[in-house]
Amino acid sequence: GENVEQHPSTLSVQEGDSAVIKCTYSDSASNYFPWYKQELGKRPQLIIDIRSNVGEKKDQRIAVTLNKTAKHFSLHITETQPEDSAVYFCAASLGGATNKLIFGTGTLLAVQP
Amino acid sequence: DSGVTQTPKHLITATGQRVTLRCSPRSGDLSVYWYQQSLDQGLQFLIQYYNGEERAKGNILERFSAQQFPDLHSELNLSSLELGDSALYFCASSVGTGDQPQHFGDGTRLSIL
Repeated sequence: GENVEQHPSTLSVQEGDSAVIKCTYSDSASNYFPWYKQELGKRPQLIIDIRSNVGEKKDQRIAVTLNKTAKHFSLHITETQPEDSAVYFCAASLGGATNKLIFGTGTLLAVQP
Repeated sequence: DSGVTQTPKHLITATGQRVTLRCSPRSGDLSVYWYQQSLDQGLQFLIQYYNGEERAKGNILERFSAQQFPDLHSELNLSSLELGDSALYFCASSVGTGDQPQHFGDGTRLSIL
C-alpha cells in the first residue's frame, strides 16, 4: 500500500548546525516529493520539492536529495536559525491523473539559540 | 498568504450535526484537495477535484462528501458528526493535476462537543 515513513520524529540542534530529515516511500510509481514546514497553528507551507528525474535540488540553506532506487529522499537544512523551528513533513505524490499526496508523520525540529 | 481561502476559521458544533466547510482556490488553479489533520492520524488526504470532477479519493468516510462548483470553489460536507471528527481541515489547490505543487489554505478548526 501507499506509505511514507519519516525519521526522526523529533530533532534538536544548536543554532548554526545542520539538520537532516529522512523519508522512505513505498510506491515505486511516485514521481513528485514535496516538503512542507508547519508552524504551530499555521498552514503547511511548501518549502522545496523535487521530481524523480532530478537527484538533488537546492534553495539557499535548504536542499533535498532523492534516491529513486532505494526509495529514499532527505531534507537538509544548513546554518539553522531559531526561525527554522517547526514541524516538517515530507510527502510523496502518486502522480499520473491524480496528485494525491501521502504525508510522512512529521519531524519536530527545535533549533536552540 | 497562499491565495487559498478557507471559511470558517473555527467551527464548534455538537455530535450528530452537519457542517459545511468552504474553500476558494488560488486564482488560476483548477485542482482542489481536502486534507484532515488530527494529532493521532497526521495529515490525511480525503478527496481531490479537478475542474469540477472528482479525481481521487482517499480514506474519506461515507458521512463526508464534497463537490467543486463551476466557479471552482469547493465545499466539504461533514454529517452525523462524531467526537473523533474534531480536527483541522485543510484545503489545497494546484494549477493542474499530476506532480503539481499544492498550496494550502489556513484551515478550518472543527471542534465537536
